[in-house]
Amino acid sequence: AQSVTQPDIHITVSEGASLELRCNYSYGATPYLFWYVQSPGQGLQLLLKYFSGDTLVQGIKGFEAEFKRSQSSFNLRKPSVHWSDAAEYFCAVGPDNTDKLIFGTGTRLQVFP
Amino acid sequence: GAVVSQHPSRVICKSGTSVKIECRSLDFQATTMFWYRQFPKQSLMLMATSNEGSKATYEQGVEKDKFLINHASLTLSTLTVTSAHPEDSSFYICSASHRYNEQFFGPGTRLTVL
Repeated sequence: AQSVTQPDIHITVSEGASLELRCNYSYGATPYLFWYVQSPGQGLQLLLKYFSGDTLVQGIKGFEAEFKRSQSSFNLRKPSVHWSDAAEYFCAVGPDNTDKLIFGTGTRLQVFP
Repeated sequence: GAVVSQHPSRVICKSGTSVKIECRSLDFQATTMFWYRQFPKQSLMLMATSNEGSKATYEQGVEKDKFLINHASLTLSTLTVTSAHPEDSSFYICSASHRYNEQFFGPGTRLTVL
C-alpha cells in the first residue's frame, strides 16, 4: 500500500537559517508528490507539486523540493526561513490511478527570532 | 483562482443533534470533492470522495449513515454529521478538484459536540 513518512514531527530553526523537511514515500511507480502548508486552524495551501520532468521543483514562498527516485524522497527546502513560515507542513502522494491524496503525519515548524 | 469556501467555520452543538457543513468551489466547477477529518496535531484522514450527481465513496471505517455527503451541483458539496456525539468533534476539511490530481482545500470547519 502507498504510504508517506515524515520522520520529523517537530523542527525548530532560527529565522534566516536554512530548512529541510524530509518526506519519504512508498509506491511502486512514480507518484504525484505534493507539499502543503497549514497555518493553525486553517486549511491547506499548496506549496509545490511534482508530476514529472525536472526533479527540482520550485514553489511559492521561496520553497523548493527535490524528487529523488533512488531514495524515494521528496524533501522540502528553503534557504532562509522567515518567522511567517512557522506552520505545519504536510507531504502527500497521489497515486497515478486515483484522485486521492495520501498525507504524511506532518512536520510542525517553529521559527525563533 | 481556485478558491474553496466552507461554512460554517466553527460550530458547537449538543450531543444528538445533526450538523451540516457546506463546501463550495467559488470560481470553478468541481467534478470531485473530498472530505477529510483532522484530529488535533494529526494528519488529514480522507473520509469520502464525492462526484457530482452520484453517491459518495466512503473510506474503510467511515460510517456512511453517520456522515452523509451530498454533491448536488458542481460547486457545492455538503457533509452532514448525524446524531453527533463528542467523539465526532474534530476539524473537517473539504477539497475540490476540477482536474486530475489537483485538489484545492477549504479553510476547514471546527466541530465541537458537547
